[in-house]
Formats: sequence, C-alpha cells, structure tokens
Amino acid sequence: ETGVTQSPTHLIKTRGQQVTLRCSSQSGHNTVSWYQQALGQGPQFIFQYYREEENGRGNFPPRFSGLQFPNYSSELNVNALELDDSALYLCASSKGQGPDTQYFGPGTRLTVL
Amino acid sequence: GEDVEQSLFLSVREGDSSVINCTYTDSSSTYLYWYKQEPGAGLQLLTYIFSNMDMKQDQRLTVLLNKKDKHLSLRIADTQTGDSAIYFCAENLGWGKLQFGAGTQVVVTP
Repeated sequence: ETGVTQSPTHLIKTRGQQVTLRCSSQSGHNTVSWYQQALGQGPQFIFQYYREEENGRGNFPPRFSGLQFPNYSSELNVNALELDDSALYLCASSKGQGPDTQYFGPGTRLTVL
Repeated sequence: GEDVEQSLFLSVREGDSSVINCTYTDSSSTYLYWYKQEPGAGLQLLTYIFSNMDMKQDQRLTVLLNKKDKHLSLRIADTQTGDSAIYFCAENLGWGKLQFGAGTQVVVTP
C-alpha cells in the first residue's frame, strides 16, 4: 500500500460528457503526477502538479486539465470525452519535483461509450 | 528511437531466474525504475537505480545498468507464482515525467 488513493474506482461516461477524477497523495508528498494507461500499453504522462501549479505536461490536448489543492490532493478533469479516452487513469505522488520516486495509486478505470 | 522498449512476454518455470530487459532513450536520465502491475491494479514500485550505478541488489531482485548501451535489466531470482504480472521499466526525463515501456508480461508456470 502506497497511501495514494483515487476515486472513483470505475466510471462510465458517454462521448461529449465531462469527467472529474480525484487523487489524494501520500502523507508528506507535495507533488502529484497523472498518467493515462490504455489497455495493453504503458502509462503515458499527462501532467504534474507541484505546490498547486502545473509543473510539466505531456502530449495531451487542453481538454485535459487539472488542479492541485492546498492539502496537495489533486483532480484531473477531461472535457468533451472521446472513445479513445477510455483507459486506466493513474495518479502518483512524490516528495518534490524532478527525479523523486513516484508512488502510484490503484487507478480509476474510465469507460467512454 | 523515441520509445522505451521491452520484450512483450516472458515465460519462466517456478524456481528459475527471470531476466527482463529494457532499452531506454535518454542517456541523461538520472533515475531508472522497475514497476510491477498485477491485473486490475495500479503500479507497484519494485526498485530503482541511480544512473551512476552499474548494479543494485535488493533481496531477490538485481538491476543491471549499461549506460553506454542505454540498457537496463531486472533479474528475479527463484521466481514464484506470485511474481506473475506485467513489469514496466521507466526512465525519468525530468520535470517529473516518467516515460514507460509497454511492459513485459511474465508468466510463471509450476
């Protein structure tokens, strides 16, 4: 157990809808990163939040956005859902920026119909 | 190439050693990681190695790093059925971005 929690566990949405996924970081960690893992693939980096600011972003469109709160928990928002957004969304927390080891939560399985 | 590359599948007999190989992309990556993922679960950090090391041993796990060839391997000694999972190598590209391979599915047979 890493101490990183995510909610909900599973979610089903339809194309065009919006979704919010939540992550609570491990105690003592101030950085949260989000990843998308499509079926049969490795996780792809979406973005990272450090002290409530976006700190780095992968190759994802602007309809993927996020927030980090003063308690370092985080949200991932996806607007205008597409079928290809169906995936396992993982968040990971770490103590700081850069190479600090990231500890992953169990993920949220999103299905877009 | 641009991608972290791993072989997709490995079958091993219980009690034997498993070796999972990975080629990464960025010679300036400071840390390299091995994660394990069981069905329906998130990623479990197994071990990591700092780029100035050649080898790291942690109980049944041995990581070897060849920086010249950008090659990373994970050896699991005395493989058990509980080791059946998908194993991902990952490199840290900076700014918290981990780049993962596609994963190696390890199947342990009795």
